[in-house]
Order: sequence, then C-alpha cells, then structure tokens
Amino acid sequence: DIQMTQSPASLSASLGETVTIECRASEDIYSNLAWYQQKPGNSPQLLIYDANSLADGVPSRFSGSGSGTQYSLKINSLQSEDVASYFCQQYNNYPTFGSGTKLEIK
Amino acid sequence: QVQLKESGPGLVQPSQTLSLTCTVSGFSLTSYNVHWVRQPPGKGLEWMGRMRYNGDTSYNSALKSRLSISRDTSKNQVFLKMNSLQTDDTGTYYCTRDWAPGYFDYWGQGVMVTVSS
Repeated sequence: DIQMTQSPASLSASLGETVTIECRASEDIYSNLAWYQQKPGNSPQLLIYDANSLADGVPSRFSGSGSGTQYSLKINSLQSEDVASYFCQQYNNYPTFGSGTKLEIK
Repeated sequence: QVQLKESGPGLVQPSQTLSLTCTVSGFSLTSYNVHWVRQPPGKGLEWMGRMRYNGDTSYNSALKSRLSISRDTSKNQVFLKMNSLQTDDTGTYYCTRDWAPGYFDYWGQGVMVTVSS
C-alpha cells in the first residue's frame, strides 16, 4: 500500500493569512493526488484533483502543487468558512488518505 | 443531480455482521465505480473497497477477509457486508463514486455505525 504522510496535524492561522498543508507519498504517485475539505458533521468535499486542478465551484484561493512524492495545498487569504479538516488522497494505486490537518482560526 | 445515500442499522453488536446499502441517483452504476470509505470518530478516512462499473470488486487488504461488496444495478444500489465486527469498527461509513480509478467527486451523507453490546 502507498502510505501518505500529511503535515501538520493541526494548524492555527489568522484571517487573511496564507497556509500550506503538505503530503508526502511513500512512492511516486505521478500527480494522482486529490485534496478534500471536511467541515464538522459533513462529508468530505473535493477541492483539488490531479494535484493542481481546481474542482468545480471551489474558490480560487485554494491551489495545489507538487509532483513525484511531494504535494501541497495552499489556501490564500484565509476565510472563516475555511475552518475544517483537510485530507490528501492518492489514487495511483488502491486509494489511501493522509491522516488529516485540522485548520482553526487564531 | 448526482446523489448517493447510505442506509443501515445504527447499532451492531460485537461479532455480528454489518449490512449497509448505498442508493444512487443521477448516474449509472455501469458507468461509474462506487467505493466505501469509513471514518472512526474524530479520526481520518479509510478506504474499504470498491464496486467497479463492470462488476469487479477490490478490497482493502486489511479488511478483505471480512468484507464483501455487491450491487443490484436494477435498483441502483451497492451493498456492503462486513462480518465479525468489533468496537474499533465504530464510525461513519460513506459511499462515494469515481469515474476512472481516481478521485471522489460525490459523497453520500454518511451513516454512523456504533458497535456495542
């Protein structure tokens, strides 16, 4: 199985700040990576696919980058509605998820 | 519009079998794959297995011996059965879909399952 190591586990930032979440795969996943946002009590929602493609309806302040084994999710101009947990997921092989990052407002 | 909805018992006794149903609408089970993903309370997401568009199944190796996924295309339903449940199987169970083996673009609302006597 491909292991996904996600960091940090939690993050506190101020409104308007830029935050970055990282995911490292245990082997090359050839940009077969997605990012999800999960608000408390809700299902995960797709943010980014193919490492850097924005899903329909997702604000442009979200962006993804990376290649090989290293990937990141960046949120510009943090808004209060961005409070959530974020998960990466690889789909180069059977799907596996990162352990998640809980984002709070400082 | 695309919808997935899980249903099943909220409480299962230890050592018993969990049976869940995912009812889909807005797309065909013969065109998309449907997956099951679970989430223990306050924890991360675990992929359990999938029903491919062509009827093939794949399972998480950690669950393979206990898990079975099937479908009824005439009813637009995908089924999950997992036996020998233990307390650490407690969590929210989601069904979700992808088009090619890939990312999950639509998710059900999830069903909370508690394993307890």
